[in-house]
Amino acid sequence: DAGVIQSPRHEVTEMGQEVTLRCKPISGHNSLFWYRQTMMRGLELLIYFNNNVPIDDSGMPEDRFSAKMPNASFSTLKIQPSEPRDSAVYFCASSRLGNEQFFGPGTRLTVL
Amino acid sequence: GIQVEQSPPDLILQEGANSTLRCNFSDSVNNLQWFHQNPWGQLINLFYIPSGTKQNGRLSATTVATERYSLLYISSSQTTDSGVYFCAVHRGGTSYGKLTFGQGTILTVHP
Repeated sequence: DAGVIQSPRHEVTEMGQEVTLRCKPISGHNSLFWYRQTMMRGLELLIYFNNNVPIDDSGMPEDRFSAKMPNASFSTLKIQPSEPRDSAVYFCASSRLGNEQFFGPGTRLTVL
Repeated sequence: GIQVEQSPPDLILQEGANSTLRCNFSDSVNNLQWFHQNPWGQLINLFYIPSGTKQNGRLSATTVATERYSLLYISSSQTTDSGVYFCAVHRGGTSYGKLTFGQGTILTVHP
């Protein structure tokens, strides 16, 4: 299996621009998670889906963040408009039936 | 929510030394995972260990769920073991595997 796939791996954008991060979970996994990692806050869960349905988005920092999972093999995390404080590494992870989670390589986002 | 504390926060070793990393959690958990974040930022699964003991080469882990802690043992450390080690727990119930992470232990192994 190819593992969790994320794109892009690096993104540099200017404040105010829209950013879209993409994730393909491991085939057969029915839970998908978006995490953010910063030096100040460590690894924190933003939102997770079960069977393509958002279950808990309480970790999404504000309305500028949105996430979708239109099908079992694809999810997006969108930031609009982006701000410098959104700079972080964003990880996607997936699991089957809530068991062991596997992480993608992450997207390093820099907002200037 | 559940609290996860890791110790020590930093650890410096000479190659060949052994070490023990600890993870304490504040409530009962359904699952526990140990990860290694390498210098390139990748999160690598080490153990999925809600209870008991597992071994994988030079690494082993023990979780005592009733006492709310887990230990990660690294023997004969190598420079490639350097990085950050995270413990993450899942409370179970209807949380579908949602993980709460500790702050990590930064391990540096010198040649």
